[in-house]
Amino acid sequence: SQQGEEDPQALSIQEGENATMNCSYKTSINNLQWYRQNSGRGLVHLILIRSNEREKHSGRLRVTLDTSKKSSSLLITASRAADTASYFCATDNQAGTALIFGKGTTLSVSS
Amino acid sequence: DSGVTQTPKHLITATGQRVTLRCSPRSGDLSVYWYQQSLDQGLQFLIQYYNGEERAKGNILERFSAQQFPDLHSELNLSSLELGDSALYFCASSVATGGPLYPQFFGPGTRLTVL
Repeated sequence: SQQGEEDPQALSIQEGENATMNCSYKTSINNLQWYRQNSGRGLVHLILIRSNEREKHSGRLRVTLDTSKKSSSLLITASRAADTASYFCATDNQAGTALIFGKGTTLSVSS
Repeated sequence: DSGVTQTPKHLITATGQRVTLRCSPRSGDLSVYWYQQSLDQGLQFLIQYYNGEERAKGNILERFSAQQFPDLHSELNLSSLELGDSALYFCASSVATGGPLYPQFFGPGTRLTVL
C-alpha cells in the first residue's frame, strides 16, 4: 500500500529557478528519504531525514519534515537542466521493515 | 555508479517462461532488496534478504522467489510469466538490515519484456 504521495505530479521550470516538491504520508515514520531517478535508470539516494529532525541540507537541496502535518518538502535551488528527473519520497511501512515509495514528481528543467 | 550491479540489462521472453535476474550488492553491504517498477503500480517493494536470510516480504507474487547466496549476491526468479510482469526490476543494497533506516543504493535495473 502507498504511504507517501508526492505533489505536484509534474513540474516544469526554467534553469536558475527553484523547484519545490511535497510529500505527504499517512502513518508515523522513523525517517523519510528522497530519491532521484533519471529516465529508466536506477534510483539515487539524495537525503535521509529522521523523524526528530526538522530540516536538512545537502548542496542545493533542502528538505524539511513536519511530523505534525505528516509532510515533507524537497527544495532544489538554482535548478539546472541536469536536475531533470523524477523525484520520489520514501517512508517506512508500519512494520518498519521496508521502504514504501510514492509515485513521484517529474521535474523538467529547461534552459 | 552506485556499486550495485544487475544482469542482464534487458530480457525479452514469452508468457509461461521462467527467468532469473541477478544482483551483486555494493562491497560490504549485507542487505539486498528487490523492487518492481511499472507505469501503473509505481515502485513496489518485493522482498529483502540480509546476510542470506529473508527479512521482509512485500508485494511479491507466489510465482516469484528470491535467494541470497553466501557471497551475498542475490537472484530473483520469476516463473509462469504473464504479460503483466513486464516491468523494470531493481535491486538495491544497504549496509545493514532495518531497511527504512538506511539509504539504499540501487542498481541500474533489468528491463523485462514478456511477449
